[in-house]
Amino acid sequence: SQQGEEDPQALSIQEGENATMNCSYKTSINNLQWYRQNSGRGLVHLILIRSNEREKHSGRLRVTLDTSKKSSSLLITASRAADTASYFCATDSIQGAQKLVFGQGTRLTINP
Amino acid sequence: DAGITQSPRHKVTETGTPVTLRCHQTENHRYMYWYRQDPGHGLRLIHYSYGVKDTDKGEVSDGYSVSRSKTEDFLLTLESATSSQTSVYFCAITSGQGAYEQYFGPGTRLTVT
Repeated sequence: SQQGEEDPQALSIQEGENATMNCSYKTSINNLQWYRQNSGRGLVHLILIRSNEREKHSGRLRVTLDTSKKSSSLLITASRAADTASYFCATDSIQGAQKLVFGQGTRLTINP
Repeated sequence: DAGITQSPRHKVTETGTPVTLRCHQTENHRYMYWYRQDPGHGLRLIHYSYGVKDTDKGEVSDGYSVSRSKTEDFLLTLESATSSQTSVYFCAITSGQGAYEQYFGPGTRLTVT
C-alpha cells in the first residue's frame, strides 16, 4: 500500500521558475523525507523533516509539513535544467521508524 | 552512491530459473533494504535486514528470499523467477542510530523472459 501520494504526477516548467510538489500520507509519521532520482540512477536523499517541524530549508529547497492535513510540499526555487528528475516523498511510521514507504513520485522537467 | 554496489547491473533470465542479486556496502551500516521499482508503483519494499542474520519481510516479499551472513552483504534471491518479477531492484542502507535517511545503490535491471 502506498503511504505517500505525490501530486502532480508530472510537472513541466521553464528554467528559473519555481516548482512545487505535494505529498499526502495516511498514517501518523515519525519523519518525512524527499528524494530525487535522475533517470536510470538510484535515489538520492534531499531533505528530512521531523513530525514536530513545520518548515525546513536546504539551499534552494523548502519543505513544509502539515501533520493535521497529513501533507507536505517540496518547493524548488529558481529551477535549473539539472533539477530535471523524479521526486519522491517517503514516510516512516512511529512503529517502524527504520522502514520507509515511498510515493509514486512527481516527474519534473525543466525546460531551458 | 555512498559506498554501495549492486551486482549484476543488468540481467536477463528465463522464467523458472533461480536468480540472486547482491548488494555490497562499505559503510558498515546496520540496516539494509531491497526495493523494486515499477512504473505506476514507485518503490516498494521487498525485504530488509536490521543486522547479520536478522531479516524481515516488506510489502511485496512473496517469491523472494534474502540472506545476510556478513554486515556488508545482503543477497536477494528469486527462487523461481516469473515475468512479474521483471523490474528494477534497488538496495539501500541506513545506519540507524537516530539517522533515517537511506542511501541507494545504482540498481539492477532484471528482465525475466
